[in-house]
Formats: sequence, C-alpha cells, structure tokens
Amino acid sequence: GAGVSQSPRYKVAKRGQDVALRCDPISGHVSLFWYQQALGQGPEFLTYFQNEAQLDKSGLPSDRFFAERPEGSVSTLKIQRTQQEDSAVYLCASSLAGATTGELFFGEGSRLTVL
Amino acid sequence: AQSVTQLDSQVPVFEEAPVELRCNYSSSVSVYLFWYVQYPNQGLQLLLKYLSGSTLVKGINGFEAEFNKSQTSFHLRKPSVHISDTAEYFCAVRLAAGNNRKLIWGLGTSLAVNP
Repeated sequence: GAGVSQSPRYKVAKRGQDVALRCDPISGHVSLFWYQQALGQGPEFLTYFQNEAQLDKSGLPSDRFFAERPEGSVSTLKIQRTQQEDSAVYLCASSLAGATTGELFFGEGSRLTVL
Repeated sequence: AQSVTQLDSQVPVFEEAPVELRCNYSSSVSVYLFWYVQYPNQGLQLLLKYLSGSTLVKGINGFEAEFNKSQTSFHLRKPSVHISDTAEYFCAVRLAAGNNRKLIWGLGTSLAVNP
C-alpha cells in the first residue's frame, strides 16, 4: 500500500503476556518512529530508527519494551510481561531520509488493551 | 527541555464560523513547529509547519497558523469551518538544530463543528 501499515489494529492481552506490534513504513522511507498515545493524551516518543540503526530509544518506558528493524524496513515493537499501564495506542510513523522538516507519515495505530 | 501547551481541550463551533486553536510552547533554543490533525479512525496527518521565514504559514484544508516568537505561540486558524473539520488537532515542536528528530506534542484540542 501507499501508506504506513500497522498490525494488529486491536490487541487485547492478559497482564503478563508478551505482545508484538508490527509496522510497515512507506517504501523508501529511511526513518521510522514509534510513539505511545494514552487515552486523552498526545503522543509520547518511544524510539527512532534510521535504516536498521536504532538511534534513539530514550522514550522506552522500561526494559520490557524492545523495538527492532533488522533489515531497515519493517519494524516490530515488543512488549514483554504486559502491565495495565501499557494500555495505549501505539503509533508508527516514517519519514524520508534526511527529512529535517519533521513531516511524519503515520499509520492508524495499534490499540493495546491489557486486562 | 521543550514543552507544548494546548490551551483548549475542546472547542465547539458552528459551521461556517471562524475558529482559533491555541498553542504555546516553551523552549530555550530554536524549534520547528507543527500542527497535525487526526480524523476519527484515521492516522495523524500534517496540516502545516513552521521552519523559518514568513511567520504566517498556510496549510491544507484552508488552515493557517502564525508563529509569534515573543509570545511563544503558534495558533491555528480557519476563517470558516466545515462539518468535515471535526477532528482532534495536535500541536508539536522539535529542535531546529542537531540530530534529535523526536516531536514533543501537546495534549490535543478536540474541534467539534456543529450544523
């Protein structure tokens, strides 16, 4: 497709389960971002990749959160031993290489509910 | 550190009326400024951005915003709104210099356009 694709769109997990969220960026977009958006809040930065290199992971809230982009295209955000406070919409965005303008193209998000 | 304050969480307005969504930011260094829109069940979409130059920037769908450095504001305006403008609007900033690509977001303003 032409846009950023995220899957699954909705995920319900029991507390303690591991989850994996997938992001397919726009073809040719070198930069990829993950954001977390809690209900009624703005997005919060989690991590940023340029190609396969994870250049900034300062926003990951704990060591239970892990992101990878092994071939510089598809990315996976993994959350281990999920907790209720992990419930949020996880947004993936991509942008062109060297895009200093900051224009990000967002997917529709993956809504995670932890019971 | 940078921060963004959106002064109104909800803005109800009648169709064809003008609207202003307010955004103030805090930063000790130069920033780029953005407005994104999130329509129901869709991903975030860039409305407009200020990087440098003219302080009045025009975006898509008839929106415009004015950068005011002395008041550290970047308010979004539209002279006549449509029902289809009903959405969540987010103001965001990022550092203008360096390699830090992450966006700092406001909490959002919900615009409800009524007939």
